[in-house]
Amino acid sequence: GEDVEQSLFLSVREGDSSVINCTYTDSSSTYLYWYKQEPGAGLQLLTYIFSNMDMKQDQRLTVLLNKKDKHLSLRIADTQTGDSAIYFCAESTGYSSASKIIFGSGTRLSIRP
Amino acid sequence: ETGVTQSPTHLIKTRGQQVTLRCSSQSGHNTVSWYQQALGQGPQFIFQYYREEENGRGNFPPRFSGLQFPNYSSELNVNALELDDSALYLCASSLGGKGLTEAFFGQGTRLTVV
Repeated sequence: GEDVEQSLFLSVREGDSSVINCTYTDSSSTYLYWYKQEPGAGLQLLTYIFSNMDMKQDQRLTVLLNKKDKHLSLRIADTQTGDSAIYFCAESTGYSSASKIIFGSGTRLSIRP
Repeated sequence: ETGVTQSPTHLIKTRGQQVTLRCSSQSGHNTVSWYQQALGQGPQFIFQYYREEENGRGNFPPRFSGLQFPNYSSELNVNALELDDSALYLCASSLGGKGLTEAFFGQGTRLTVV
């Protein structure tokens, strides 16, 4: 079956790096995503990685994929107060975003001064 | 702003009633997906419409139904509302077809069933 799991909470000090981890079960996943949701808002796609890649970097964001262990992580460098949000790991199969996206329950990231 | 608009933003309904939620997709997009996000949970896929036809459905009962119109806007209808239907309903629009195209989410409709 399809399942995506992630820890519920993460607290980091401002300026430190945040690492949010996720595991998934569907070995046929094609795309893996990280979405950000701020209070009262919809979902914002932060970044994605194709399943044949093992790393992707985009400014302060680094995504690491271990396909063998079905483990995905998101590292946010130099975490700022504006990074406080819920981060969802997600996956989809097929070769189009028209396929359904399976989301984890979200990790709430809080920033300490 | 993603260009995906949902209406209404908030809604309160009584158990047993029916509700219609609306979504205007981003210009040029032909695919709309609907998700239900219960409090403290991730979004759950309800169904997807591609060029006015249902193109996949999640584990939701038939009282959840939808439509897509020729301009690719979409409606989600829920009959015989239950308390557990209280949630944030999100729609996402995308351009269906091969290759990754980003799905843009609206701000959602917060439905409360009392």
